[in-house]
Amino acid sequence: TQLLEQSPQFLSIQEGENLTVYCNSSSVFSSLQWYRQEPGEGPVLLVTVVTGGEVKKLKRLTFQFGDARKDSSLHITAAQPGDTGLYLCAGAGSGGSNYKLTFGKGTLLTVNP
Amino acid sequence: GAGVSQSPSNKVTEKGKDVELRCDPISGHTALYWYRQSLGQGLEFLIYFQGNSAPDKSGLPSDRFSAERTGGSVSTLTIQRTQQEDSAVYLCASSQRTGPYEQYFGPGTRLTVT
Repeated sequence: TQLLEQSPQFLSIQEGENLTVYCNSSSVFSSLQWYRQEPGEGPVLLVTVVTGGEVKKLKRLTFQFGDARKDSSLHITAAQPGDTGLYLCAGAGSGGSNYKLTFGKGTLLTVNP
Repeated sequence: GAGVSQSPSNKVTEKGKDVELRCDPISGHTALYWYRQSLGQGLEFLIYFQGNSAPDKSGLPSDRFSAERTGGSVSTLTIQRTQQEDSAVYLCASSQRTGPYEQYFGPGTRLTVT
């Protein structure tokens, strides 16, 4: 069974601070996705990383996929209250199971004004 | 365009009753997924449909859970003889095709079993 460990589980910071969320596994994933979920809504995809060592930037968000494709990080620069939400990482299986996403438990981020 | 819709948004039922949860995927999306999200847990995969077929039912917790999809569109997740541990948010997602592609999620159905 593939497992994804996310840390920290909870994070409360002030507006303008930087933060990093980690997603770790002992398993190799064919790709890794990051989602953001707000209360009462389903998760919304932020990014997909596919290649080991890949770095993608989305405005103030930087996503990195580990060289061995077992871990990933999300870094937010100068966090804003609008960044508040549940951040989920999800790893895709390999081969014929590449549709199957294994989700971490999430990081609940609160950015205080 | 219209996103994934789910109904009902909330469902409270008594232990032992059967419930049906409905998912309307984005038009034209061939792949459909059901997940369960419990407090303190991540999203747990339940079942995957490609068209009307379910090649992967490995996440269904017990034989009380079943799902079907008709016309390559609407899907229904049925839970028979509900138990309190079934209380969770049930999320449906669809994607254009099978694979590690973006999954578009609905808002979920919050099920509470009393």
